[in-house]
Formats: sequence, C-alpha cells, structure tokens
Amino acid sequence: EIVLTQSPGTLSLSPGERATLSCRASQSVSSSFLAWYQQKPGQAPRLLIHGASSRATGIPDRFSGSGSGTDFTLTISRLEPEDFAVYYCQQYGSSSWTFGQGTKVEIK
Amino acid sequence: EVQLVESGGGLVQPGRSLRLSCTASGFTFGDYPMSWVRQAPGKGLEWVSFIRIKAYDETTEYAASVKGRFTISRDDSKGIAYLQMNSLKTEDTAVYYCTRALSRGDAFDIWGQGTMVTVSS
Repeated sequence: EIVLTQSPGTLSLSPGERATLSCRASQSVSSSFLAWYQQKPGQAPRLLIHGASSRATGIPDRFSGSGSGTDFTLTISRLEPEDFAVYYCQQYGSSSWTFGQGTKVEIK
Repeated sequence: EVQLVESGGGLVQPGRSLRLSCTASGFTFGDYPMSWVRQAPGKGLEWVSFIRIKAYDETTEYAASVKGRFTISRDDSKGIAYLQMNSLKTEDTAVYYCTRALSRGDAFDIWGQGTMVTVSS
C-alpha cells in the first residue's frame, strides 16, 4: 500500500498570501493518479485537483497542482478567506486508494 | 443538480450489522463507478470500498480493514449504491461518505453529506 505523507501539518498564513502544500508518496504514483481535496468543518470534502494537475469543474484558477512520481504540490496562489480549511491528497494504484493525513491551512 | 444522499446510519452494537444506502440523482448512475469513504471523529479520510460499472462486471475492491466484513453493491435501475456492514467493530465508528468516482476511477468528484455510524455497546 502506498503511504502519503503531507507537510506541513499546519500552515498559518494571511489572506492574500501564497500557500504551498506538499504530498510525498512512499512509492511512485502511477499515471499521476494523484488528487487533492478541500474539507471545511462539518462539510464533505470537495475535489480540487485530479491527475496531479487538472482542476475539477468549478475550481478557481488560484488552485494549481503539480508534481509526478513521489512528490506532489498543491499551490494556492492568493489565499481567499474561504480557502482556510483542511486539504488532503489522495492516490490510486493497484486497486487501492489512500489519503494523506491532511494539512490544515489556518488564518495567521 | 448532481446529488448523492446517504441513509441508514445510526447506533449499533459491536458484532451487529448495518446497511447504508446512497441515492443518486442528476446524472446517469450506471455510467459511473461508486465508492465509500469514511472519516472517524476528528480524524482523516479513509477509503473503504469501490464498485465498477456494469461494463466491468461491477467488480469490487475493499480496504484491508473491512475486507470480508463489508460488501458494496449497486442497483443501476434505482440509482442506489449500498454498503452492507457486518461484524461491526468499535473502530468502524465514523461518518460514511458515498462518492462518485471519475470514469478512470482515480478520484472522487461528487460526495454525499455523509451518514454517521456509531458502534458502541
């Protein structure tokens, strides 16, 4: 099973700043089957990015994904107040899906 | 509007069974793989189970933590996915989300609001 490790655990930033979230896999993620989700308190997760860099429907272009192999990044170019949330990466491979432990982006 | 609505959660004793349902609307249910993802209180997300579409014989996959105890199924004529949970353990306590998977099966683009399952004596 591929283990995903997200860093940092918590990111304290101000609105307007740039956020860079990391997701590292214990083995190479095939065909860039890497996705990112946003979850706010009391809500279901929302798909942001799939295929490592493709934005899901309706996702603003301030969200971007990059990376391949074992190292992936989610970048939020300029944080809006509604972006403060927990972010999870997720991979698919060998008929198994795993999530990272999450990164909380909080208001500084 | 594309929507998934879960039902069937509740309080159950260890060792007992529970069946969750996920009713889909707003899209052609039979065209999409479906999956269940859970989240224990205050914890992260854990994938539970996955079912492919009829064209792929509705084959199923399970996380090691639930294999042999949980069964996923689907009824395309009704637009409903199910999760039959047997031999429940206290560690199965979580919010269970029904999700629609992308056609490639690699990510989950639509999520229900979740249904809480509490396993406790």
